[in-house]
Amino acid sequence: DGGITQSPKYLFRKEGQNVTLSCEQNLNHDAMYWYRQDPGQGLRLIYYSQIVNDFQKGDIAEGYSVSREKKESFPLTVTSAQKNPTAFYLCASSRPGRQGSYGYTFGSGTRLTVV
Amino acid sequence: RKEVEQDPGPFNVPEGATVAFNCTYSNSASQSFFWYRQDCRKEPKLLMSVYSSGNEDGRFTAQLNRASQYISLLIRDSKLSDSATYLCVVNSPYGGSQGNLIFGKGTKLSVKP
Repeated sequence: DGGITQSPKYLFRKEGQNVTLSCEQNLNHDAMYWYRQDPGQGLRLIYYSQIVNDFQKGDIAEGYSVSREKKESFPLTVTSAQKNPTAFYLCASSRPGRQGSYGYTFGSGTRLTVV
Repeated sequence: RKEVEQDPGPFNVPEGATVAFNCTYSNSASQSFFWYRQDCRKEPKLLMSVYSSGNEDGRFTAQLNRASQYISLLIRDSKLSDSATYLCVVNSPYGGSQGNLIFGKGTKLSVKP
């Protein structure tokens, strides 16, 4: 079955450490997205990519970096510059079409905790 | 005005009740509308798209009023399993820092026995 796989499910980071969250999809979707969700809060967009080798900053890109070297993969690095990284991170993808016209499919998320 | 606005709730209803969620959006050029459901500590999942003529899927009915920029979701005969947060989602015609879809913050529903 096609879908989006995020790993790991849980991740613990020490202060000052960079960590990378994995997102892989086999849906043949062109666009991929990274969101952050804090307890009781809505989704906030970190970065998104419409095509391979191209990506755009979302509302809260500071302290994060991404790459899009393959259509299937869109990893997110949480750098030490992100001062409050503890959150639920969600990756999503969408098929090509008029912007947003087909909705997004989400992965099951990664819970990141700073220890 | 927020781009997609929802009543945060929570809505606490007994089993079997009918409950309605409302949502307003600010960009009159938006063309695509959705309701997503998010269970506690899980990812959002598409519940249904919303079409101009209104649409129904079992106990769920979605309505769109373009003139008022208003979307609604009606749940009839509520089940315990309907307890979740319901997200109103609207496309952003011009992309930008919010990407292609703009998510409301969600309305929490709790169905009690």
